Amino acid sequence: EIVLTQSPATLSLSSGERATLSCRASQSIGTDLGWYQQKPGQAPRLLIHDASNRATGIPARFSGSGSETDFTLTISSLEPEDFAVYYCQQRAKWPLTFGGGTKVEIK
Amino acid sequence: QVHLVESGGGVVQPGRSLRVSCAASGFTFSGYAMHWVRQAPGKGLEWVGVISYDGRLSFYADSVKGRLTISRDNSKNTLYLQMNSLRAEDTAVYYCARDGDSTSVPRYYMDVWGKGATVTVSS
Repeated sequence: EIVLTQSPATLSLSSGERATLSCRASQSIGTDLGWYQQKPGQAPRLLIHDASNRATGIPARFSGSGSETDFTLTISSLEPEDFAVYYCQQRAKWPLTFGGGTKVEIK
Repeated sequence: QVHLVESGGGVVQPGRSLRVSCAASGFTFSGYAMHWVRQAPGKGLEWVGVISYDGRLSFYADSVKGRLTISRDNSKNTLYLQMNSLRAEDTAVYYCARDGDSTSVPRYYMDVWGKGATVTVSS
C-alpha cells in the first residue's frame, strides 16, 4: 500500500503566520492527493482535492501544491479557527490511505 | 441540507459482533459511493472501505478484510458496517462519508462526513 508521511508532526505558530505542511508519498501518485482538516471532537472536512483544487467554500488562504511524491498544504495567514489537525489522503491506488497528520497549534 | 448520522455504536466484548448504521438525508443516496473511516482514540484517520452506489462492488483495507463488511439499503437511504470477530484494536470512532460525485469533487475523496459512532471493544 502507499504510505503517506506527513511532517512536521506538530507546527507551533501564531495567528497571522504562514503555515507550510508537507506530505510525502512512498511512490508516485500523480496529483491524486487531498487534504482534510479536523478540529477536536469534529469530523474531518475536505479542503483540497487533486493536490491543488480547493473544495467548495474553502477560503483562499488555503492552497495546495505538488505532484508525484511531494505535496504541500500552505495556509497563507493563520486565522484562529485554523488551529487543527491536517491529514493528507491518496486516491491513486487501493487501499486508500491517509497520512499520520500534522497538528497546527497556537504558539 | 446534506446529513449523515451514524448510530449503533457501543461497548462490545472481544470476539462478538456489532452493526453500525449511517442514515443519509438531503441528497440522492443511491447516486453515491459511500465510505467508512475510523479513528482510534488519540490516533489518525484510517480508511476502512468503500461500497459502490448500487452495492455491487466494495473494497476494504487489509486490516479489516474478512471481518468487516459494508452494505447498503438504497430504499432506506442507509449504509451499514457489519463488524464480526471484534478485537481491541477495532476500538474507534467510525465515520461514514460520502464519495465525491466526479463533478464538483472527484471520486474517492470524501466530501460529506457524519459525526461518528463510537465502538469500544472491551471485556
